Amino acid sequence: KAGVTQTPRYLIKTRGQQVTLSCSPISGHRSVSWYQQTPGQGLQFLFEYFSETQRNKGNFPGRFSGRQFSNSRSEMNVSTLELGDSALYLCASSDRGANYGYTFGSGTRLTVV
Amino acid sequence: AQSVTQLDSHVSVSEGTPVLLRCNYSSSYSPSLFWYVQHPNKGLQLLLKYTSAATLVKGINGFEAEFKKSETSFHLTKPSAHMSDAAEYFCVVSANSASKIIFGSGTRLSIRP
Repeated sequence: KAGVTQTPRYLIKTRGQQVTLSCSPISGHRSVSWYQQTPGQGLQFLFEYFSETQRNKGNFPGRFSGRQFSNSRSEMNVSTLELGDSALYLCASSDRGANYGYTFGSGTRLTVV
Repeated sequence: AQSVTQLDSHVSVSEGTPVLLRCNYSSSYSPSLFWYVQHPNKGLQLLLKYTSAATLVKGINGFEAEFKKSETSFHLTKPSAHMSDAAEYFCVVSANSASKIIFGSGTRLSIRP
């Protein structure tokens, strides 16, 4: 059974640009969540999608957005990048939701210069 | 409101000795609790989860955790540390939502030869 796949693994962008990250969940998993991990703030919840609907959202500015497709694949978009957006972005999938345990991808390391 | 506190930011043990990583939680209802492990430059892996069944939960790689409601604790233990256990460990509590969980700040486990 394939795991959670995140692409790309590494990304370098310039301030002001926008970026799209992709996540393919485990087959059959309908819940996909995104987390930002930084040394200073730790793991922070961005949002969760379940069957193409955003079910929950964290406390991030509107520059952070996401969507989920009918095949459960999810994308996260960050517009007008800031230096502080440099982080490891982790995607996690579950068949029902976080309360039942997540499977995480290896993450996308975003560096904003 | 739910919260989780990992009492040690760094724990160092010798190979072959017991491991204890401490976690206290706060929840206004019966929570689900998890331990995840993150190896360098990797995503998070679910070690074990408590969901109101047995209070002693066994996980992968010889780890186990005991849910103690009276102490609001969910400490992670392993009888004998192995070099491959060196990683960051996160205690997680479910929030009042199927899709939202709260991560602790993490405990870095180092293993001395």
